Amino acid sequence: QQQVKQSPQSLIVQKGGISIINCAYENTAFDYFPWYQQFPGKGPALLIAIRPDVSEKKEGRFTISFNKSAKQFSLHIMDSQPGDSATYFCAAMTNFGNEKLTFGTGTRLTIIP
Amino acid sequence: DSGVTQTPKHLITATGQRVTLRCSPRSGDLSVYWYQQSLDQGLQFLIQYYNGEERAKGNILERFSAQQFPDLHSELNLSSLELGDSALYFCASSPGGANYGYTFGSGTRLTVV
Repeated sequence: QQQVKQSPQSLIVQKGGISIINCAYENTAFDYFPWYQQFPGKGPALLIAIRPDVSEKKEGRFTISFNKSAKQFSLHIMDSQPGDSATYFCAAMTNFGNEKLTFGTGTRLTIIP
Repeated sequence: DSGVTQTPKHLITATGQRVTLRCSPRSGDLSVYWYQQSLDQGLQFLIQYYNGEERAKGNILERFSAQQFPDLHSELNLSSLELGDSALYFCASSPGGANYGYTFGSGTRLTVV
């Protein structure tokens, strides 16, 4: 019940295209859903996050879409650039006395020219 | 620089040995989290400390232990090391409580030979 399932495992997108990464969860107690971006040799960095009271959040080229009834959320990267090539992790958190993040398994995104 | 400092960056040690990983959280952050990242397991939560007290425990082996000191830095102790303990170990910090901001350090790469 604590799992967060992420797909695809890897993704290749042409420069200028839209990259879409999907995540699904089971635990309805999750109330915070961040996305992290990780470059090789670096720690994960918070990209964008959403709470379940909204269905979409946009920050620049990055958008989270959230479907509470389906227990799914996704990351859309518009106008994908080679600099976006990284591993992306979705995550989820409850707020029952701790702030433990449960991560998806990651998506390796490659943007080709 | 994320503000979370982890030392050392790399560590090579033999099976059966004991090592200590150190983490200095971002200024003002009271919570420290330890995560293990391996190729086949993704990012796994190990343990959380909040203002010196253990707050949550994840999939942390009995051979592993951690603590948070009065100055809020934290140490993760790994003993009786096995080849399978080879991984990236990340520390993250947050202000704690209702603020979900989470900042990761650059990690310590542990190689057990």
